[in-house]
Amino acid sequence: QKEVEQNSGPLSVPEGAIASLNCTYSDRGSQSFFWYRQYSGKSPELIMSIYSNGDKEDGRFTAQLNKASQYVSLLIRDSQPSDSATYLCAVKGSSASKIIFGSGTRLSIRP
Amino acid sequence: SAVISQKPSRDICQRGTSLTIQCQVDSQVTMMFWYRQQPGQSLTLIATANQGSEATYESGFVIDKFPISRPNLTFSTLTVSNLSPEDSSIYLCSVEFLWNEQFFGPGTRLTVL
Repeated sequence: QKEVEQNSGPLSVPEGAIASLNCTYSDRGSQSFFWYRQYSGKSPELIMSIYSNGDKEDGRFTAQLNKASQYVSLLIRDSQPSDSATYLCAVKGSSASKIIFGSGTRLSIRP
Repeated sequence: SAVISQKPSRDICQRGTSLTIQCQVDSQVTMMFWYRQQPGQSLTLIATANQGSEATYESGFVIDKFPISRPNLTFSTLTVSNLSPEDSSIYLCSVEFLWNEQFFGPGTRLTVL
């Protein structure tokens, strides 16, 4: 079982709709959770961090964390073509100092 | 966050040679990391660059192949030695700030012929 799992996509969403990206993780003791956006040919950019159960909103982005289900998601409201990118879920485990990255979900926003 | 720079941004190297990549941060940071991202793949941690001591390498990565220096809290280098075409990849440094948030440099694209 992979430590951090994401659906690789591609996920195609019409412009203006809500894009929902999902991630599960295996380390039940994990405490820190991150979403990165990576445009083709660019380095990953941190867009959301979440540390406690529930929702965290930042502009059009909402991160949701459910530690009991070991599940973290990212919602993008009013999707724009500029949101087309690969989204990486990352989790910091309970004992290690390193962050584990998922394989990424490729999101495509169609006009 | 911080401003993180990497040099070179890209390079084409011959088999058997080495490439040293520099990572510079505009503020002091405790934790610096080196990652590799192969085409179409996610990020793989190579090592944690520790200031004043040897780097901590992940499974599958060894110091002879990927020597790392960390002379101070704002700078690190990664050398990829004895290059082969399989080393063609993007190499990224990252730094960690408060709340375990990591920020990445722009990356170095290496092509080995």
